[in-house]
Amino acid sequence: DAKTTQPPSMDCAEGRAANLPCNHSTISGNEYVYWYRQIHSQGPQYIIHGLKNNETNEMASLIITEDRKSSTLILPHATLRDTAVYYCIVRVGSATDSWGKLQFGAGTQVVVTP
Amino acid sequence: GAVVSQHPSWVICKSGTSVKIECRSLDFQATTMFWYRQFPKQSLMLMATSNEGSKATYEQGVEKDKFLINHASLTLSTLTVTSAHPEDSSFYICSAKIRGHEQYFGPGTRLTVT
Repeated sequence: DAKTTQPPSMDCAEGRAANLPCNHSTISGNEYVYWYRQIHSQGPQYIIHGLKNNETNEMASLIITEDRKSSTLILPHATLRDTAVYYCIVRVGSATDSWGKLQFGAGTQVVVTP
Repeated sequence: GAVVSQHPSWVICKSGTSVKIECRSLDFQATTMFWYRQFPKQSLMLMATSNEGSKATYEQGVEKDKFLINHASLTLSTLTVTSAHPEDSSFYICSAKIRGHEQYFGPGTRLTVT
């Protein structure tokens, strides 16, 4: 699976949008971009995933560049409960990979401040 | 979303004893379950992948005789840490998925070996 690069930490003001970048310059054509987050001492939580089109759900938006070498996770209105480590993971999509292993990197520690 | 539970949520055991951790998918039948380990201030490390009714596949460096995984049904997987030592103290997290769908994580089990 392609390796990803994320900033180690970032701060965000409550109520503002949080834009989390991820570089995945070696991504293959059949690899998806997944985002998970982990609040302290809890299991990771699935946020969103995409292949090449931008995606949006009730939690976040995912913007993938045209060359697919980078992406941005957008939390539109950050709250204090969004403080967590955010992981960007690139792997073969679950529809084609029956096992779907996830390899977690270091992630980005996001701290939302009042 | 789908719910995955773990039991116990935390456990303390003495060095040399064995401890079993259960992972259950509560509202779906999981085709695959995964076990991760997370040391303080580190990312999740995949330990093994298990499919119902078959032997688990362990990641490189994970001792299969020490970390016994049983996936007896589509809703239950167990991880047994045998002859536990203080260095096995960690946060153990399971996840479960259905083919073609996303991976859902349990809340984790904090193991402390004294």
